Formats: sequence, structure tokens, C-alpha cells
Amino acid sequence: DIVMTQSPNSLAVSLGERATINCKSSQSLLHYSNNYNYLAWYQQKPGQPPKLLIYWASTRESGVPDRFSGSGSGTDFTLTISSLQAEDVAVYYCQQYYSAPMNTFGQGTKLEIK
Amino acid sequence: EVQLVQSRGEIKKPGDSLKISCKASGYTFSNSWIGWVRQMPGKGLEWVAVIYPRDSNIRVTPSFQGQVTISADESLTTAYLQWSTLKASDSGIYYCAKLRTLPTGISAPADVWGQGTMVTVSS
Repeated sequence: DIVMTQSPNSLAVSLGERATINCKSSQSLLHYSNNYNYLAWYQQKPGQPPKLLIYWASTRESGVPDRFSGSGSGTDFTLTISSLQAEDVAVYYCQQYYSAPMNTFGQGTKLEIK
Repeated sequence: EVQLVQSRGEIKKPGDSLKISCKASGYTFSNSWIGWVRQMPGKGLEWVAVIYPRDSNIRVTPSFQGQVTISADESLTTAYLQWSTLKASDSGIYYCAKLRTLPTGISAPADVWGQGTMVTVSS
């Protein structure tokens, strides 16, 4: 099984500041056939289902603000929120979809306002 | 608008059976993988199972093998998850989610989610 490990488990950032969440996979998520990284990021606000933010490690989903960006390749990935807004308070999950159907998630990172 | 609308929450006793549903609309149901994700209270996300409605190709995460049954009815554009014998450890919120239709097939992110069905199993 591919294990996804996020860091930190929780994070407090001031409004307007940058937030950075890391995700490490136990195996490379870079597929030889298409050179894509099979990595997605989701945002889950309290009482709501997860929402897809980023896929292929760096492709922003339609409608997602451009302050959200994804980077990384292989086993190390990062979600960056360039200027934190109040509505960004949520739990963020990375997910690998390389070894479907066991598309494992990270344990989540709780983002709060400092 | 693509939507997944799930059945309401359920309170059951250990040993009971249960079938929850997920009604899809706004896209071609047969042509996209759809599945279920569990979130136990205060915890993270785990894929349970996925199904491709067109040919009923099913994949179940090993830890859920033999514990649940996934199915889909193309005529009703509805996916289901069922248990024959519930345990307290089956409690949690179950989300249905549709996989993005990509050339990579089942290897795709979940781009649309239902609102969640809370299942509570308690004596």
C-alpha cells in the first residue's frame, strides 16, 4: 500500500500570509507512461464533503482561486495558499490515485487563523 | 449541474442490514467510476469501493472486502452501498464520489461528492 504522510498535522497562519502544507508518499507517484504525478489535494470545511482543489499535483480545478497552487514530483508534494483568507480555514488532504482503487489519503492538515 | 444526492442518515443496531444510496444527475452515469469514501468520527478519509456502472466492474479496498457490497442501477442513475450484518465499527459518514472521467480510467481524482450519509450503529 502507498502511505501518504502530511506535515504538519495542524497549522496556524495570519490572514494574508502564506500557508504551506507538505505531503510525502511512500512510493513515487510519477507514472512512466505519461509523466504525470497521480496526486490530488482536497479541502474539507466543517460539516461539508471534501472539495477537489488540485489534481495531477499542480492542475487547479475549475473555479478554485489562484491563491491555491500545487507543486512537487515523485514522492514530495506541497500545497501552497499564497495569501490566506478567512474562508480557507479547513482540513486539507492529499491523495494518491496511482494505485487505484486504493487511492489513499494523507491524515489531513488542519489550517487555522493565527 | 453535476450532482450526487445521498440518502438520509441511519441509526441501526449491530447485526442489522442496511443499504444507502447515491442519486447522480447532470452527467452520463454509465461512463464514470463512482464509489464510496468513509470518514469515521473526527478522522480522515478512506476509500471503500468503486464501481463502473456500464459494465459493473467493481473494485473494493482490501480492508473492506467481504464487509460491504457496492452496486449501481443505470436506469435509476443510482449507486448503492450495503451491509448484511452491521457492526459498531461501521459507524461513520459515508460519502459517494464520482471519479473525474480521464484516459487513465480508475486512476483519477474524485471531482464531485455527495453531501454524506451518517451511519450510526449502536446497541
